[in-house]
Amino acid sequence: QQQVKQSPQSLIVQKGGISIINCAYENTAFDYFPWYQQFPGKGPALLIAIRPDVSEKKEGRFTISFNKSAKQFSLHIMDSQPGDSATYFCAAPLLNTGFQKLVFGTGTRLLVSP
Amino acid sequence: ETGVTQTPRHLVMGMTNKKSLKCEQHLGHNAMYWYKQSAKKPLELMFVYSLEERVENNSVPSRFSPECPNSSHLFLHLHTLQPEDSALYLCASSQDTSYEQYFGPGTRLTVT
Repeated sequence: QQQVKQSPQSLIVQKGGISIINCAYENTAFDYFPWYQQFPGKGPALLIAIRPDVSEKKEGRFTISFNKSAKQFSLHIMDSQPGDSATYFCAAPLLNTGFQKLVFGTGTRLLVSP
Repeated sequence: ETGVTQTPRHLVMGMTNKKSLKCEQHLGHNAMYWYKQSAKKPLELMFVYSLEERVENNSVPSRFSPECPNSSHLFLHLHTLQPEDSALYLCASSQDTSYEQYFGPGTRLTVT
């Protein structure tokens, strides 16, 4: 069964702190790992993605770390801001498909307190 | 704005009604998707269209019927739904050589 396990389910971080969300994947294709951000009333929006030829990718305050041997990847939000409060989803490509399809984690609801 | 629009944004329908959800993408993509988003569950892929041909149907009940008349438009026709079908229905698009999917804002569906 192809799946992505995401944790924690919810997270409260103080403004200026570091938010860390983790995902573990099983039986997925091994070539692309994105994170999506979803605000209430909006659809998910691609935030940052990594290909496993690198162990880390940074874009501004957002960093993906990738651990191939552990089959895990994580999202770090540095200097977390109240505007970062949203639900975050990780995803991984489905195996053995002739098409670019993703399987998603269950989401992490992040609240950054002022 | 992501370039993917969905209408209506909210829909309440009875179990015997027939309604349709509409999605339009302005990104020049050639693949479109329907997802179902329920609370505390992963996004569930329902249908995938590539070049207007259905390439995936994830065992979705026949009360959901998709239609893709061209690469910019996607519909989801609904009939005789159940209360457990209440959810946020998301449309997405991508260029078929890319995993980068762009989502619309969704239609919040309530089945009474």
